[in-house]
Amino acid sequence: SQKIEQNSEALNIQEGKTATLTCNYTNYSPAYLQWYRQDPGRGPVFLLLIRENEKEKRKERLKVTFDTTLKQSLFHITASQPADSATYLCALSNYGGSQGNLIFGKGTKLSVKP
Amino acid sequence: EAQVTQNPRYLITVTGKKLTVTCSQNMNHEYMSWYRQDPGLGLRQIYYSMNVEVTDKGDVPEGYKVSRKEKRNFPLILESPSPNQTSLYFCASSIRAGENTEAFFGQGTRLTVV
Repeated sequence: SQKIEQNSEALNIQEGKTATLTCNYTNYSPAYLQWYRQDPGRGPVFLLLIRENEKEKRKERLKVTFDTTLKQSLFHITASQPADSATYLCALSNYGGSQGNLIFGKGTKLSVKP
Repeated sequence: EAQVTQNPRYLITVTGKKLTVTCSQNMNHEYMSWYRQDPGLGLRQIYYSMNVEVTDKGDVPEGYKVSRKEKRNFPLILESPSPNQTSLYFCASSIRAGENTEAFFGQGTRLTVV
């Protein structure tokens, strides 16, 4: 069956360090992968999208990689700050799927300590 | 301001009493969907709509109905709510299904069925 796994439920790091979150998937052929941020009780907010033919994407302190051979995406936050504390979700869309639906992982809760 | 608006934000109801959660977007998006989010289970799709008058089941459609009579509105209907439908609900929209564009989420509706 199709599966998306975000390896850590929670990640605690010190301010200023780089946070690295992992998203693995099986039995998908995603056309693209997205990362979202979700604060408690609020809707997810889009951060970055990376296409299957892209290896890496950057936006300010954020970097996403996409390895279709390993079936994995890594999400990095450099120089992390307490304000980066949130739950981060990865989402896939099946390539060629008639639905084009976004399937979400369960998320990784990041806590950045001052 | 581009947004997805859900109402109500909070709702407590009794078992069996029909209710509707409204969702409206002002971005002229074709694709809209409903998710529920439960601890440990992540975001799961209930129903989606590719366009006006086109709706289909997601992963957890039992006990829910939707309609898409106008492009901007996509209400979620619970004909006979039960306690296992207590959850946090999100409406989302995007330009089109299958496109590599971001999803915009509403602010969420926290439903409690007693």
